[in-house]
Amino acid sequence: DGGITQSPKYLFRKEGQNVTLSCEQNLNHDAMYWYRQDPGQGLRLIYYSQIVNDFQKGDIAEGYSVSREKKESFPLTVTSAQKNPTAFYLCASRIGDVNTEAFFGQGTRLTVV
Amino acid sequence: AQSVTQLDSQVPVFEEAPVELRCNYSSSVSVYLFWYVQYPNQGLQLLLKYLSGSTLVESINGFEAEFNKSQTSFHLRKPSVHISDTAEYFCAVSASASSASKIIFGSGTRLSIRP
Repeated sequence: DGGITQSPKYLFRKEGQNVTLSCEQNLNHDAMYWYRQDPGQGLRLIYYSQIVNDFQKGDIAEGYSVSREKKESFPLTVTSAQKNPTAFYLCASRIGDVNTEAFFGQGTRLTVV
Repeated sequence: AQSVTQLDSQVPVFEEAPVELRCNYSSSVSVYLFWYVQYPNQGLQLLLKYLSGSTLVESINGFEAEFNKSQTSFHLRKPSVHISDTAEYFCAVSASASSASKIIFGSGTRLSIRP
């Protein structure tokens, strides 16, 4: 089945540690996105990528980093510089054209203690 | 820049009653509009989309939305809701621009259905 896979579903980390969230898609989509979801704030864009080896900062990129070495993969690293990393993280992809919808993974809930 | 405003954070309704979830957007260029639904601890699923043509778009489960360019709105409606419609609903805009195509989401509306 085609889709987007985020792993793990739940992740716990100690404060000060970097952590990497995985996002893989087999839809042959060019564009991939990372969003952060907090209660009452909707989805806020962290980073996005239109093609391999290229990505742009979204609205809340500080404290995060990404790579796009393969079309299928867009991992997100939450660094120790992110002041409030506990949140629900969603990865999405789409063909790349502005008039197409995005497909979402099931999300990763990160808790930093 | 584009933005999306969902005017109601929560909407409680009784089962079988009609509902409207409001969405307004702002953009200086042509836009494409979407409604997504999210069930607890899951990702988002597309409910319906407006790309061009008829301003009234429908989903397979009875929801509809009308694109109103003069009022910059894309409100979501259902004439009779069911308990299974309990979820959070997000309005989103994707705009035609020279920059890479972002999808901007509203803050969401939590729909709760009372029996």
